[in-house]
Amino acid sequence: GENVEQHPSTLSVQEGDSAVIKCTYSDSASNYFPWYKQELGKGPQLIIDIRSNVGEKKDQRIAVTLNKTAKHFSLHITETQPEDSAVYFCAASIKRSAGGTSYGKLTFGQGTILTVHP
Amino acid sequence: NAGVTQTPKFQVLKTGQSMTLQCAQDMNHNSMYWYRQDPGMGLRLIYYSASEGTTDKGEVPNGYNVSRLNKREFSLRLESAAPSQTSVYFCASSLWGGLLTNYGYTFGSGTRLTVV
Repeated sequence: GENVEQHPSTLSVQEGDSAVIKCTYSDSASNYFPWYKQELGKGPQLIIDIRSNVGEKKDQRIAVTLNKTAKHFSLHITETQPEDSAVYFCAASIKRSAGGTSYGKLTFGQGTILTVHP
Repeated sequence: NAGVTQTPKFQVLKTGQSMTLQCAQDMNHNSMYWYRQDPGMGLRLIYYSASEGTTDKGEVPNGYNVSRLNKREFSLRLESAAPSQTSVYFCASSLWGGLLTNYGYTFGSGTRLTVV
């Protein structure tokens, strides 16, 4: 099955700096790569995603890049703010079909604890 | 629009006790999932239901059972709780289909379970 490795496990930056989190995946058939942010005591929330036919996607201060050849993808957060402090998870999925229904199973990385110091 | 609702939010069980974690979504999603989250291990898939009437094992199914009661509800049952099942449990749902592009999961707020 799919295996997703995420690095670093902890990341500490000063407010205004950039933060980069990297993930690698094992299954070349994976075609969907979302990123989730989890705040303390809450469930993970989707912040950005990228599909395998796109190399880069940006949404305000966050961007994701995908290198299919190397099987790795990264999350970039610019101009970090204290409210960006949270646990971030990457994930990978293959879209499958069963009984006429399409679905996907996300495999998650181990998570990165991001701390932004004021 | 409540999204994904999980009950209870907290639970303490004694070893050997049983309980059912409830999950309901109101977004008309076809797929539902149960994950457990442990420190340093990310989220691991326990069971999933690709569509109403189907369920399949995930990465860590031992000690658990599930029921997809209808399109909205997907429950997780611990028949005989063990300390190793102490964890935070998350239910999620998603919409995948045909020519539609993939969608990410919507997660519930979690159930924090302690087995003593």
